[in-house]
Amino acid sequence: AQKVTQAQTEISVVEKEDVTLDCVYETRDTTYYLFWYKQPPSGELVFLIRRNSFDEQNEISGRYSWNFQKSTSSFNFTITASQVVDSAVYFCALSATDSWGKLQFGAGTQVVVTP
Amino acid sequence: DAEITQSPRHKITETGRQVTLACHQTWNHNNMFWYRQDLGHGLRLIHYSYGVQDTNKGEVSDGYSVSRSNTEDLPLTLESAASSQTSVYFCASSGGSDGYTQYFGPGTRLTVL
Repeated sequence: AQKVTQAQTEISVVEKEDVTLDCVYETRDTTYYLFWYKQPPSGELVFLIRRNSFDEQNEISGRYSWNFQKSTSSFNFTITASQVVDSAVYFCALSATDSWGKLQFGAGTQVVVTP
Repeated sequence: DAEITQSPRHKITETGRQVTLACHQTWNHNNMFWYRQDLGHGLRLIHYSYGVQDTNKGEVSDGYSVSRSNTEDLPLTLESAASSQTSVYFCASSGGSDGYTQYFGPGTRLTVL
């Protein structure tokens, strides 16, 4: 069975501060995919990034960066120099090959960025 | 542009009524999914389909059904609505060369009184 834990319920920061969101996952599969989705106050779910279990190369995309570490089963997400528009709920999700295509979501982390 | 739409966006119904939520995608994706979102639970899978005439139960399928008669649509039916089914419902699809990434519709907020 798969499990995704986002221990941080809410994080509040002041604009321009960095914020890191933690995600810890559990799976017995050796091949799996990890995702981050963003849900802004308008409610839609926006896909941000996907990583497969064979690719531990960390990535930076603009102000976003991701740190994938198989040894600790973590897939953390950092927003650098946060902006008010980053205020949203962020979900980490897992899809393992034995549950092809089905996503197991974490409970989400609310990020509040104040001016 | 390809998209995934849901209707209605908001629905209020009474306990015991049958309700159907529509989901339509123009991505030509084979895979379609229904999730519900409740505070503290993230998103939980209700039903999913890997193609026409294929349907499968997810984690929280009791009280719900789906049917897949074509590639584009996966309607979700609440047979006899209960107050515990008050939630936000999201439809998603995946397929093509990036078969694992799901793209979500805008959601339907359902209130059962």
